[in-house]
Amino acid sequence: EPEVTQTPSHQVTQMGQEVILRCVPISNHLYFYWYRQILGQKVEFLVSFYNNEISEKSEIFDDQFSVERPDGSNFTLKIRSTKLEDSAMYFCASTRDRAVSPLHFGNGTRLTVT
Amino acid sequence: AQSVTQPDIHITVSEGASLELRCNYSYGATPYLFWYVQSPGQGLQLLLKYFSGDTLVQGIKGFEAEFKRSQSSFNLRKPSVHWSDAAEYFCAVGTTSGTYKYIFGTGTRLKVLA
Repeated sequence: EPEVTQTPSHQVTQMGQEVILRCVPISNHLYFYWYRQILGQKVEFLVSFYNNEISEKSEIFDDQFSVERPDGSNFTLKIRSTKLEDSAMYFCASTRDRAVSPLHFGNGTRLTVT
Repeated sequence: AQSVTQPDIHITVSEGASLELRCNYSYGATPYLFWYVQSPGQGLQLLLKYFSGDTLVQGIKGFEAEFKRSQSSFNLRKPSVHWSDAAEYFCAVGTTSGTYKYIFGTGTRLKVLA
């Protein structure tokens, strides 16, 4: 069964540095998402993306964050200047259709900001 | 506003015992409901989903869930728990108004005693 893949699995960075988290959604999916899970807390919506533009973003997704689909397969999340509180597990997800299809999640990238 | 409540943060059961994890949602329209399981350090795996029709849905790994509109609940059940079921379980509602996305509950961590 096709999977959503995320790289790297673990990223350590220093505060103030830029990081790019990468995702390859399932190939025939059209809707893409990033979620965040701070250790021990719930999974929080960051942003949704469709037709090469952001559909919706949460209040967490401030100007430090950006998303891009640079080619036909990758979907990236960039954090421009990381803060300690950005340390979390970041999950990419994709779905084929609105509403009727479940989201397929990747295994996540654990971001540690020191 | 849409929300999902999982009242139990931690649950401990003995292997072989039955299990019920509670989930209550708040959503104005007919909800799309999901249960996901997350093993330590892993991504989110879909256990089951409810879109419409039969209110008792079967999922993978012997799990089932029952949608009760009158109680705004979607509780997850398993008749006999296995040690490998120890994990964190998330209930989610898929919003169909505006951008389609999931809203997750805070999760229930299941511990299984041998």
